[in-house]
Amino acid sequence: QSALTQPRSVSGSPGQSVTISCTGTSSDVGNYNYVSWYQQHPGKAPKLMIYDVTRRPSGVPDRFSGSKSGNTASLTISGLQAEDEADYYCCSYAGSYTYVFGTGTKVTVL
Amino acid sequence: EVQLVESGGGLVQPGRSLRLSCAASGFTFDDYAMQWVRQAPGKGLEWVSGINWNSGSIGYADSVRGRFTISRDNAKNSLYLQMNSLRPDDTALYYCAKVTNKVIIGEAMDVWGQGTTVTVSS
Repeated sequence: QSALTQPRSVSGSPGQSVTISCTGTSSDVGNYNYVSWYQQHPGKAPKLMIYDVTRRPSGVPDRFSGSKSGNTASLTISGLQAEDEADYYCCSYAGSYTYVFGTGTKVTVL
Repeated sequence: EVQLVESGGGLVQPGRSLRLSCAASGFTFDDYAMQWVRQAPGKGLEWVSGINWNSGSIGYADSVRGRFTISRDNAKNSLYLQMNSLRPDDTALYYCAKVTNKVIIGEAMDVWGQGTTVTVSS
C-alpha cells in the first residue's frame, strides 16, 4: 500500500489550465476505474471533486475533469480561478476493500 | 442536512487505546458504506479503514491492521474506530467519511466530518 505519486506543486495564472498527475501501479490505478480526486483548503475537510476517474459530483464546476491512462490518472483544472488554490489528492481502490491516497499536490494560482 | 460528527479524540500514551465515534445524520445511515481517513499534522491524507453497509466487508490499511477495528451500529447511526496499541505515528486528525454506495469496492467519499484529533505521546 504505497502512496500514489503526485507532483508536490503546480501553478498557473487565472484562466490557464493545470494538470495534476497521479501515478500508481497495476495493482491500483492501472487495475480499476475507481480513481477519485479531493480538494482540501487549509483547515477544512476534503471535498470530492471527481469519482470513477471522470465523473463529477453535482455542484462541482465543469472546469474540473479527470482522465486515466495506464497506471496514471490526471486531474485537469481549466480556466483556473483564485478559489481553486488548494491541496488536491487522488485516491484509488487497491483491491480487497482497501484504498490508497496520493501524496498530494498544492495548486497555486499566480 | 447531511452531517458527520466525530468525537473521542484526545491525548493518549503510547501503547494505550482509544475509541473514536462518528455520529451520522441527515441520511439513511445503513444505505451507505463508511470510511476512516487520517491526516498527520502538515501531512497528506491516509486511508485507514472502511466498512460496508452491513459490516460484511471490511478493509484496513497495512499500517493499522491488527491494531485498529472498525465497526458500525446502524440502529444508532454511528461509526466507530477502536484503536489499540497506539503509536506516536498514529497522531493525526481522524476523519470519518460517507461512501457513495453500500459497498466499499471503489466507491468515493462524498461527505466528510470535520475530524477529531488524536495525539499519541508520553
